Amino acid sequence: RKEVEQDPGPFNVPEGATVAFNCTYSNSASQSFFWYRQDCRKEPKLLMSVYSSGNEDGRFTAQLNRASQYISLLIRDSKLSDSATYLCVVNQNSGYALNFGKGTSLLVTP
Amino acid sequence: DVKVTQSSRYLVKRTGEKVFLECVQDMDHENMFWYRQDPGLGLRLIYFSYDVKMKEKGDIPEGYSVSREKKERFSLILESASTNQTSMYLCASSVNLAQETQYFGPGTRLLVL
Repeated sequence: RKEVEQDPGPFNVPEGATVAFNCTYSNSASQSFFWYRQDCRKEPKLLMSVYSSGNEDGRFTAQLNRASQYISLLIRDSKLSDSATYLCVVNQNSGYALNFGKGTSLLVTP
Repeated sequence: DVKVTQSSRYLVKRTGEKVFLECVQDMDHENMFWYRQDPGLGLRLIYFSYDVKMKEKGDIPEGYSVSREKKERFSLILESASTNQTSMYLCASSVNLAQETQYFGPGTRLLVL
């Protein structure tokens, strides 16, 4: 079983739509969770950390369900500039390194 | 702003050549990482370092070695480049523990002919 699994997409949505991405992780001892964003031919950049209580940053909401080992990212009122690949990231057991999902591709169309 | 720089954006090498990829970070971060990213496989960890002269194997260390002689610099070495090492190589750094954000360099696209 892969450490971090995501639906690869692509998700094609119109501007203004709400879109949700899901991610599951296999290591129940994981403590840290993140969503990174990667634009085409660019490096990944942190979008937001994911906290147990859930957290929101503008149009973006992240949720964590430890019991189901499941993380989600909700994007409201999608913009063209949201088009990117979204990577689900979970820390490894060793504590130093992170496990990256393969990413979910989002294309927001006019 | 944290800055992670990599020595080359694009590199073309021949099979059997020794290849050095350099990474420098300017924020006094303890941890540094080397990943490769391939279509359909995502980011895979090659090696990481949590202190000067310290290194740990990641998920795919075969065919690679690393060097961390100074805190700000982490080098990835391909002792004898092979075509299956054609990839995008990404360096990252973080403050100390994995709970902290990793900051990535712009990447080096390596083509081995």
